[in-house]
Amino acid sequence: EVQLLESGGGLVQPGGSLRLSCAVSGITFSTYGMNWVRQAPGKGLDWVSGISFSGDSTYYADSVKGRFTISRDNSKNTLFLQMTSLRAEDTAVYYCATDFHYYDTYWGLGTLVTVSS
Amino acid sequence: DIQMTQSPSSLSASVGDRVTITCRASQDIRDDLGWYQQKPGKAPKRLIFAAASSLQSGVPSRFSGSGSGTEFTLTISSLQPEDFATYYCLQYKGYPWTFGQGTKVEIK
Repeated sequence: EVQLLESGGGLVQPGGSLRLSCAVSGITFSTYGMNWVRQAPGKGLDWVSGISFSGDSTYYADSVKGRFTISRDNSKNTLFLQMTSLRAEDTAVYYCATDFHYYDTYWGLGTLVTVSS
Repeated sequence: DIQMTQSPSSLSASVGDRVTITCRASQDIRDDLGWYQQKPGKAPKRLIFAAASSLQSGVPSRFSGSGSGTEFTLTISSLQPEDFATYYCLQYKGYPWTFGQGTKVEIK
């Protein structure tokens, strides 16, 4: 069974930092590009960042460029999102998801990040 | 960036109705588009892969996709009670990937 399990969410003050993790099992993680997608309360889906299977290439939405860093550890089957300079508008459920280009695609259950004083 | 314009933003329909949702891309994305269903408190679930060519495993055949290039359609041929949800399109032709604004399908 394929599982993507996000962790690391929580309450953080504006300007603070948080590191999200996504532990992946049931697939050969090192062969999948990965993504982070978020959803603010009551709002639509918003792609945040992506990374190639090797980690050599990374991509960001303009709204997070320069503040968020995506990375992966293929030896530990884990995806990360380092978030800094957090703003109230970053409050959302953050999902990790595998590459959208393939028929087999998987999403985690999400982790809630709340940015508030 | 590629913009995805999805319509309508919401609709009310009855069980058994035929429902159509449209996404328009700001530039040619070939068939690099997926359709997703999301229910409250749940992760999105992909229904259609590559615009029209593939129904995801386990998705009922009442769901279908069509289109290529800049105009895409998701059709539910006969709406069922479990289909009341929010639907999104997603283009993955060029970074940044972009979602449509969503269509909330409600019970009439």
